[in-house]
Amino acid sequence: AQSVAQPEDQVNVAEGNPLTVKCTYSVSGNPYLFWYVQYPNRGLQFLLKYITGDNLVKGSYGFEAEFNKSQTSFHLKKPSALVSDSALYFCAVRDQGTGGFKTIFGAGTRLFVKA
Amino acid sequence: NAGVTQTPKFRVLKTGQSMTLLCAQDMNHEYMYWYRQDPGMGLRLIHYSVGEGTTAKGEVPDGYNVSRLKKQNFLLGLESAAPSQTSVYFCASSSPGGGSNQPQHFGDGTRLSIL
Repeated sequence: AQSVAQPEDQVNVAEGNPLTVKCTYSVSGNPYLFWYVQYPNRGLQFLLKYITGDNLVKGSYGFEAEFNKSQTSFHLKKPSALVSDSALYFCAVRDQGTGGFKTIFGAGTRLFVKA
Repeated sequence: NAGVTQTPKFRVLKTGQSMTLLCAQDMNHEYMYWYRQDPGMGLRLIHYSVGEGTTAKGEVPDGYNVSRLKKQNFLLGLESAAPSQTSVYFCASSSPGGGSNQPQHFGDGTRLSIL
């Protein structure tokens, strides 16, 4: 069965510092991995995805994520955090072998960036 | 460029009442989904559709019904609302391109309270 774990409910970081939001996953086959961001009273917005190839994926707003197959992780990173990055972040996984209809979302990590 | 539009944005119901949530997308996407978002639980899939006239159960389908009579619309019905259905409901759509590695596009949600 597919599953996603975001071990931190909340991450606090100072503006200008690097940030990492952690995600680990479990699928029976090869994964498609996604990061989404949610701002208050809005739907989820796509940030980036891993399909295959380079382990470092670059996405919107300066975010990137590193795929690590041996550790089954897909951590979200940004070199220099902005106050406007404060939001709720969701990691999600699809098993490529299931036809791609079902995406499993993590519980979310709230990011607070202090000025 | 509307994307995914959900109506209504807010609703308060009494236990036992019925209602229908409407989702409309203008991106010609084949796949559409209904999720509920509850604190600390991420998004859980209620029902989904892989094309006009087809629907399927997701992770938490009990108490809900759906219909996809037109490609651009996906309706979620609550026949007899219960307090446990108090939640934020999100509709999403996606393209089947790339072997289903495409991200989902989300509406801004419907906040539903059942008293």
